[in-house]
Amino acid sequence: DGGITQSPKYLFRKEGQNVTLSCEQNLNHDAMYWYRQDPGQGLRLIYYSQIVNDFQKGDIAEGYSVSREKKESFPLTVTSAQKNPTAFYLCASSTQLNTEAFFGQGTRLTVV
Amino acid sequence: KNEVEQSPQNLTAQEGEFITINCSYSVGISALHWLQQHPGGGIVSLFMLSSGKKKHGRLIATINIQEKHSSLHITASHPRDSAVYICAVGDQGAQKLVFGQGTRLTINP
Repeated sequence: DGGITQSPKYLFRKEGQNVTLSCEQNLNHDAMYWYRQDPGQGLRLIYYSQIVNDFQKGDIAEGYSVSREKKESFPLTVTSAQKNPTAFYLCASSTQLNTEAFFGQGTRLTVV
Repeated sequence: KNEVEQSPQNLTAQEGEFITINCSYSVGISALHWLQQHPGGGIVSLFMLSSGKKKHGRLIATINIQEKHSSLHITASHPRDSAVYICAVGDQGAQKLVFGQGTRLTINP
């Protein structure tokens, strides 16, 4: 079955440590996205990628980094520079920008 | 002011009631999406529309491009419809999806 997979579902890290969130899709989608969700707020775009080996900053890219070495994979690293990393992170993909997006199940990151 | 505004923010209703969730936006759009997020966090796309009306089972989505407004309706609501419903628009200028804050719907038996 085609889909988009995020792992892990829950992640705990100590303050000051970098952590990488995984996102894999087998939908053959060109575009992939990372969003952050905080309580009471809408989804905010961190980074997006339209094609392999290319990615663009979203609205809240500071303290995050990504790579897109393969079409299927778009990992997100939350670095120690991110001041408030505790949040729910969602990955999505679509055939092109602004077409119907498919979402992963999310990763809830807690930094202690 | 947010580019995408949803109302109400919270809605509680009894099973069987007709539900309406509204979405207004201020940017030029390529399409509007209605999404459903269940308590576990996963998001499912319900509709993508750029004009008129779409229907899927008990769900109906409408959009008025001139008024920059969309509504999501649920007929014969059921407790399993309880979720957060999110409106998102494809911003033509910025070439990205912009999300509303979501409407938390609770349907009581």
